[in-house]
Amino acid sequence: SQQGEEDPQALSIQEGENATMNCSYKTSINNLQWYRQNSGRGLVHLILIRSNEREKHSGRLRVTLDTSKKSSSLLITASRAADTASYFCATYDDYKLSFGAGTTVTVRA
Amino acid sequence: NAGVTQTPKFRVLKTGQSMTLLCAQDMNHEYMYWYRQDPGMGLRLIHYSVGEGTTAKGEVPDGYNVSRLKKQNFLLGLESAAPSQTSVYFCASSLQGPNEQFFGPGTRLTVL
Repeated sequence: SQQGEEDPQALSIQEGENATMNCSYKTSINNLQWYRQNSGRGLVHLILIRSNEREKHSGRLRVTLDTSKKSSSLLITASRAADTASYFCATYDDYKLSFGAGTTVTVRA
Repeated sequence: NAGVTQTPKFRVLKTGQSMTLLCAQDMNHEYMYWYRQDPGMGLRLIHYSVGEGTTAKGEVPDGYNVSRLKKQNFLLGLESAAPSQTSVYFCASSLQGPNEQFFGPGTRLTVL
């Protein structure tokens, strides 16, 4: 069964705007990871946040983790057309990652 | 480095036929994984391996078998393909379990 659930399912924004997507999960985790998938391609790892971390940054990406609420958020600042993709959260537990269904982000020029 | 490669990229099978998907990684990773991705769903883990010679079942293992005879290769077999196995299959590897996973480009399989 899927551990993580992303919200919203789809997001359309103007170039230069920020995009925020959320992930909720059900059980305790070792870490939470975010991945990007461009159409027809494999997934690419974006960022990993451990269960004892609350916030992490990587370039234009900011990830937060609230273990008490079992939720995480991914913020993409100053979006670009190249950010158009599906974004997945994945929780690591018991030797494996469990992926959510993803958020599809469309960045309009 | 090629990273993670998958063979073939596309395949069409008839119900009942068998085939093997090959995954290779050149990063000396211990862990390897096979996922399937269906429309509107995230990736679901089929089987995984924590090292050469080991395999374990994931979330949706029925109808699939795997082998990890060499550290760099992870094979996924379909003994008798069914239309429900029409999907995109991704292989991934990681240095250790909790680390980031590196994905291959995928194999698009259609079973008629």
